[in-house]
Amino acid sequence: DTGVSQDPRHKITKRGQNVTFRCDPISEHNRLYWYRQTLGQGPEFLTYFQNEAQLEKSRLLSDRFSAERPKGSFSTLEIQRTEQGDSAMYLCASRPQGVDSPLHFGNGTRLTVT
Amino acid sequence: ELKVEQNPLFLSMQERKNYTIYCNYSTTSDRLYWYRQDPGKSLESLFVLLSNGAVKQEGRLMASLDTKARLSTLHITAAVHDLSATYFCATIRRDNNDMRFGAGTRLTVKP
Repeated sequence: DTGVSQDPRHKITKRGQNVTFRCDPISEHNRLYWYRQTLGQGPEFLTYFQNEAQLEKSRLLSDRFSAERPKGSFSTLEIQRTEQGDSAMYLCASRPQGVDSPLHFGNGTRLTVT
Repeated sequence: ELKVEQNPLFLSMQERKNYTIYCNYSTTSDRLYWYRQDPGKSLESLFVLLSNGAVKQEGRLMASLDTKARLSTLHITAAVHDLSATYFCATIRRDNNDMRFGAGTRLTVKP
């Protein structure tokens, strides 16, 4: 169990650019989540995958945001035409099959949009 | 929509004192999770509470769940400095899988 891995750890980009983040969940976990966390706030749910299927998507996720999980393994979160309000920590988490297990979080990708 | 509210949001405690953090949620759920987050770090699972009346304890922390009141508590006994962190509660609705978090309680334990 190597834990949930996220890449990059930090990303600085100019407004209007596109960015993509990667998450590698714990290998036997079929459920994968993306959250956004701003300073002093709790994680806000963005989207959820079970295997390769995207089953839940928050209304917070505008059409500039897209997430994929091809083959049900790693996932990517892309933000197009970034805005300053997108600056946040983007957290990925995974959990195994079974309704009761907690989320295992990665260390996050901190995005700064200038 | 599922909402999770924590109070207090900020808590400054003296060492060796006791205190309780409260977590209320808005819809039917019988699964409640507590997480800890240290500054600059990610979230770490502390407790999973799965039924009405569930109580879990680890060290100086004890969590409980009352599903009828839609309330969970995290009790801190004889606080020590290394408990300083932000504590989040979270719950999941029965009909979907998105886990919703409270805003967190930032705990500072002072000598």
